[in-house]
Amino acid sequence: DTGVSQDPRHKITKRGQNVTFRCDPISEHNRLYWYRQTLGQGPEFLTYFQNEAQLEKSRLLSDRFSAERPKGSFSTLEIQRTEQGDSAMYLCASSLGATSGKYEQYFGPGTRLTVT
Amino acid sequence: AQKVTQAQTEISVVEKEDVTLDCVYETRDTTYYLFWYKQPPSGELVFLIRRNSFDEQNEISGRYSWNFQKSTSSFNFTITASQVVDSAVYFCALSETGANNLFFGTGTRLTVIP
Repeated sequence: DTGVSQDPRHKITKRGQNVTFRCDPISEHNRLYWYRQTLGQGPEFLTYFQNEAQLEKSRLLSDRFSAERPKGSFSTLEIQRTEQGDSAMYLCASSLGATSGKYEQYFGPGTRLTVT
Repeated sequence: AQKVTQAQTEISVVEKEDVTLDCVYETRDTTYYLFWYKQPPSGELVFLIRRNSFDEQNEISGRYSWNFQKSTSSFNFTITASQVVDSAVYFCALSETGANNLFFGTGTRLTVIP
């Protein structure tokens, strides 16, 4: 089985630039999640997709953040006009749907963003 | 409101010692799910276990065991005969009914000294 993959693994950008991250979930998983993790903290939920529909967004997801999952497979997370406070590890996870009874989420390796 | 508390920020043990990582949670839901994840130095979160609120049976998997007690809202994790490869940050997480996200604690960094 191929796990969740994320690209790039590391991104350094200057303040004010836009960045886009990609996540490829486990193939049979129809749920996809984005989290953000800062140093010394647990992951914090950003947003969630069921197939191609974005069903929930955290208030952490400011207007500068947008996520898509156009065909219900891979997802992208874009941050516009990056700020230094956006520096974090961005984690993607996927899971089966609720009807499976399996709620565990499987995480990718993350994309570490550094905004200079 | 949901809350997950991992009061132990860092723990160091000598190899082969047993160690227990504590997790206390708060939720108003009667049905919820608890999880433990391991985050080794490589950074990738690894799923260890899921527990449903209606199933208080403790579980053992090799050197790992979990003690779920609803009466004290705790879901503790014990590693028996610790090994250097167990060194990682361990996160406890909660998911409420109808919620689609995991709510994580702040993690416990475990260092196993050879």
